Amino acid sequence: EIVLTQSPDFQSVTPKEKVTITCRASQSIGSSLHWYQQKPDQSPKLLIKYASQSFSGVPSRFSGSGSGTDFTLTINSLEAEDAATYYCHQSSSLPDTFGQGTKLEIK
Amino acid sequence: EVQLVQSGAEVKKPGESLKISCKGSGYSFANYWIAWVRQMPGKGLEWMGIIYPGDSDTRYNPSFQGQVTISADKSISTAYLQWSSLKASDTAMYYCARHPYITGGSDYWGQGTLVTVSS
Repeated sequence: EIVLTQSPDFQSVTPKEKVTITCRASQSIGSSLHWYQQKPDQSPKLLIKYASQSFSGVPSRFSGSGSGTDFTLTINSLEAEDAATYYCHQSSSLPDTFGQGTKLEIK
Repeated sequence: EVQLVQSGAEVKKPGESLKISCKGSGYSFANYWIAWVRQMPGKGLEWMGIIYPGDSDTRYNPSFQGQVTISADKSISTAYLQWSSLKASDTAMYYCARHPYITGGSDYWGQGTLVTVSS
């Protein structure tokens, strides 16, 4: 099973700040890495698929990069509504796995 | 509009059986994979397994194999997750999610079904 490790686990940030969340895979997964946002009491929502492809309707301040074992989710000019937990997900090898999550708090 | 609508919250006793559902609409249900994801209280996401409703091809996470059964009825655009004997540790929110490809991301998610198992 492929293990995904996100960092940091928690980050407190101010509006308009740039945020970077990383996800490291225990073995190469190509570009089969996806990012989700989950707000309290809501279902996860897809932000980025295949490492860098933005999902329909997602604000342009969200972007993804990386391949192989190291991936990054970047949020430019953070907004208050971005307070959430963010998860990475690999679909390269069954079983799919998720990172442990990164909780973003807005100051 | 693509929608996945899950069945309502359940409260069960240990040892009871349960089957929860996920009904798809707004797309060709048979041609997209449906995954099930567990989220225990205050915890992260866990991938349980996936099914292709077109031919019922099913893959399980070994951690959940034998503990749950995933099925689908393409004639009514519905996928299912079932337990034959619930445990208190099955208490969690369960989500279904659509995958365009087995190796793809989950592009649309159901609203979740909260399962509470308590004596």
